[in-house]
Amino acid sequence: TQLLEQSPQFLSIQEGENLTVYCNSSSVFSSLQWYRQEPGEGPVLLVTVVTGGEVKKLKRLTFQFGDARKDSSLHITAAQPGDTGLYLCAGERMNRDDKIIFGKGTRLHILP
Amino acid sequence: EAQVTQNPRYLITVTGKKLTVTCSQNMNHEYMSWYRQDPGLGLRQIYYSMNVEVTDKGDVPEGYKVSRKEKRNFPLILESPSPNQTSLYFCASSLGLAVGEQYFGPGTRLTVT
Repeated sequence: TQLLEQSPQFLSIQEGENLTVYCNSSSVFSSLQWYRQEPGEGPVLLVTVVTGGEVKKLKRLTFQFGDARKDSSLHITAAQPGDTGLYLCAGERMNRDDKIIFGKGTRLHILP
Repeated sequence: EAQVTQNPRYLITVTGKKLTVTCSQNMNHEYMSWYRQDPGLGLRQIYYSMNVEVTDKGDVPEGYKVSRKEKRNFPLILESPSPNQTSLYFCASSLGLAVGEQYFGPGTRLTVT
């Protein structure tokens, strides 16, 4: 059972367009993280969201945590080729077993 | 420089030959974890450790062992590797109060023939 479902799996868009990727679950998370991973490298943490309804901005990236803390979204404005990569969401469930669950990721390709 | 290091980065071995992948962090983090990443399956947690001498199974612990004798080191041991353990392995660390905010190592690509 995949506890964190990410969609879409793949996305290829032109430079300058906007996009949104999603991370959904039926479980409640105490916190949720977004990472970006480039080929041959480990994931790099982008942001952590903790409070239901929280919105965080990182330059052209906007992250939102759902009110019920079961889902999150990442919106990129005016995508650039440097945004290309695998975007992963991960979370720590409310049961506090200290396990971390990862989604399978959204592979994003920005065409110049 | 704050970092997580793994060694080796690449390893090709044969079925049954015991191996150890080392992981070390210099950030005094309490939480350390091992993951494997496979196409179509994503990142899956193998083992994690909340502190020295405290380790727990993740979602896919079968065939692996870990130890946490020092805070900075968290080696992954494959006592008898099998081909289904061919994968890309990542070590990660984080502060104990924010276990989800992890710093990842560069990865170890393991091939078991």
